[in-house]
Amino acid sequence: EAQVTQNPRYLITVTGKKLTVTCSQNMNHEYMSWYRQDPGLGLRQIYYSMNVEVTDKGDVPEGYKVSRKEKRNFPLILESPSPNQTSLYFCASSLWGQGSGNQPQHFGDGTRLSIL
Amino acid sequence: KQEVTQIPAALSVPEGENLVLNCSFTDSAIYNLQWFRQDPGKGLTSLLLIQSSQREQTSGRLNASLDKSSGRSTLYIAASQPGDSATYLCAPRARTDTDNNNDMRFGAGTRLTVKP
Repeated sequence: EAQVTQNPRYLITVTGKKLTVTCSQNMNHEYMSWYRQDPGLGLRQIYYSMNVEVTDKGDVPEGYKVSRKEKRNFPLILESPSPNQTSLYFCASSLWGQGSGNQPQHFGDGTRLSIL
Repeated sequence: KQEVTQIPAALSVPEGENLVLNCSFTDSAIYNLQWFRQDPGKGLTSLLLIQSSQREQTSGRLNASLDKSSGRSTLYIAASQPGDSATYLCAPRARTDTDNNNDMRFGAGTRLTVKP
């Protein structure tokens, strides 16, 4: 089954304690992206990656890091989490490259982070 | 920068009604527009994707239209059912100069409740 898998689904932690949210897709997609969703603000893009070792900032990258060492994985790293990073996070993937411009994005089920 | 507005923010209808959800966007230079469904505590499920050259797309009881020049899209749901209750999001993908990002912008969504 084609899917995007995020872990953990829920996490409560404290300010300053480094954490990583993993994202894995089994569709051999080149493009992967992280979003956060906050009430009244909709989904905003944090970082994206067009392929292995190629990443770039989205609209709200401050306080986050990503890596893309393998095609299937795109972890989101919070080196020193703060309460304003409390949010619902989504990972997404899609095909990329010539002819794929109209391919839909597939989303994971989300990770709800609470930073105390 | 693309701004996406969805009206209404919330909608409650009795079962069996036909209904229309509206989406407007400020930048008409788009590749495509995608409609998603989001259930509470879940990720986003892609419903329909309309390419910029298309006027509408249909899937079962759902019909999405696109008027790119006026920056509008509608999602029509026929014969609504309680199982249709969810938040519906629209996301136009911008056509950028560098085309380096699957640059989707999301509306805040319309929360639909279909009462039995």
